[in-house]
Amino acid sequence: QKEVEQDPGPLSVPEGAIVSLNCTYSNSAFQYFMWYRQYSRKGPELLMYTYSSGNKEDGRFTAQVDKSSKYISLFIRDSQPSDSATYLCAGSGGSNYKLTFGKGTLLTVNP
Amino acid sequence: GAGVSQTPSNKVTEKGKYVELRCDPISGHTALYWYRQSLGQGPEFLIYFQGTGAADDSGLPNDRFFAVRPEGSVSTLKIQRTERGDSAVYLCASSSGQHLEQYFGPGTRLTVT
Repeated sequence: QKEVEQDPGPLSVPEGAIVSLNCTYSNSAFQYFMWYRQYSRKGPELLMYTYSSGNKEDGRFTAQVDKSSKYISLFIRDSQPSDSATYLCAGSGGSNYKLTFGKGTLLTVNP
Repeated sequence: GAGVSQTPSNKVTEKGKYVELRCDPISGHTALYWYRQSLGQGPEFLIYFQGTGAADDSGLPNDRFFAVRPEGSVSTLKIQRTERGDSAVYLCASSSGQHLEQYFGPGTRLTVT
């Protein structure tokens, strides 16, 4: 079992839809959880991160972590065609903060 | 300001050859990470530098892989006797003292023929 599991999709939604992206993890040592966005042939771009359990909101994006169920989510409101990309979740624990990524979910937002 | 840069952007090499991949981190960032991303997968950790020293090299797949950061800034990932299975995008990331926010470069796409 991989430490971070993520459904690779692909996921296709109409413009304006609410998108829900999810991951599960198995490493209890993870304390920090990140969401990265990766456009085709580009490096990952950090969207947001959360510490332990709880919610964090940034504009149209909301990240949620439920440590009791080892479940992390990213919600995108009012999705735009420019949101079309691969979304990567990652967990981190320990002093060196190395990231353990899921496979990524390919999202397409259709105009 | 300038982000993380990586050179070359693409590298094609023959099986058995030696390659070097370069990473220029964001100025002032003390932490530097190398990851490898295979097709359809998320990035996988290779090695982490804090300053000049490799603080964690547990992700390097075998002794053909080696990385240096002699002056605490630019880093070079070196791969000896390349194999076709080494084909992937090699990503570099850097961060400041608050290691949570890792900023990635565009990657070097390595193809071993």
